[in-house]
Amino acid sequence: DPKIIQKPKYLVAVTGSEKILICEQYLGHNAMYWYRQSAKKPLEFMFSYSYQKLMDNQTASSRFQPQSSKKNHLDLQITALKPDDSATYFCASSQQAPLFGEGTRLSVL
Amino acid sequence: QQQVRQSPQSLTVWEGETAILNCSYEDSTFDYFPWYHQFPGESPALLIAIRPVSNKKEDGRFTIFFNKREKKFSLHIADSQPGDSATYFCAASERGNNNAPRFGAGTKLSVKP
Repeated sequence: DPKIIQKPKYLVAVTGSEKILICEQYLGHNAMYWYRQSAKKPLEFMFSYSYQKLMDNQTASSRFQPQSSKKNHLDLQITALKPDDSATYFCASSQQAPLFGEGTRLSVL
Repeated sequence: QQQVRQSPQSLTVWEGETAILNCSYEDSTFDYFPWYHQFPGESPALLIAIRPVSNKKEDGRFTIFFNKREKKFSLHIADSQPGDSATYFCAASERGNNNAPRFGAGTKLSVKP
């Protein structure tokens, strides 16, 4: 059974719309992260949270907003979607080396 | 600014050979260095990791060699198998368990039978 659950697995959106990517982990980890992977930038770090607090933000655009309603949740809200946002978005959690979820494959048309 | 540099971009070896993947870093505060592999359509999976207190870490056919002075580390895959064909990512993170690793650009390894 997957311990880091990402929903949905595939997502198609139109330019200008808003989507929320869901992530839940059942590993008891305090730290959670979002990474993005595309052909242009493999495994690009976006955000890290620890105990539901933002620790690091390497995403230049405010269109990307993480949301943590519970300790084991870290969702990612993306507004005003652009075709360049098309990528696979990985959620991860860790006590030491991050373990990755299966990813959400986002296509923006 | 790329914090972790990885080479080569792609590597082809024959079955049974040793594949050598290289990484370097700039930031002296990095003190944890994991390697991941990723098969097509899957997420990255942790393979092996090292801290600078050691200059070598082995796990089966996989060995990390670490050179703190030169800020370089490498992954050696002995007796390479076709099933090892994947993209390999090195990473580095700062002191503290909750610091997110920064990843290299990846090496696509192909092992020919």
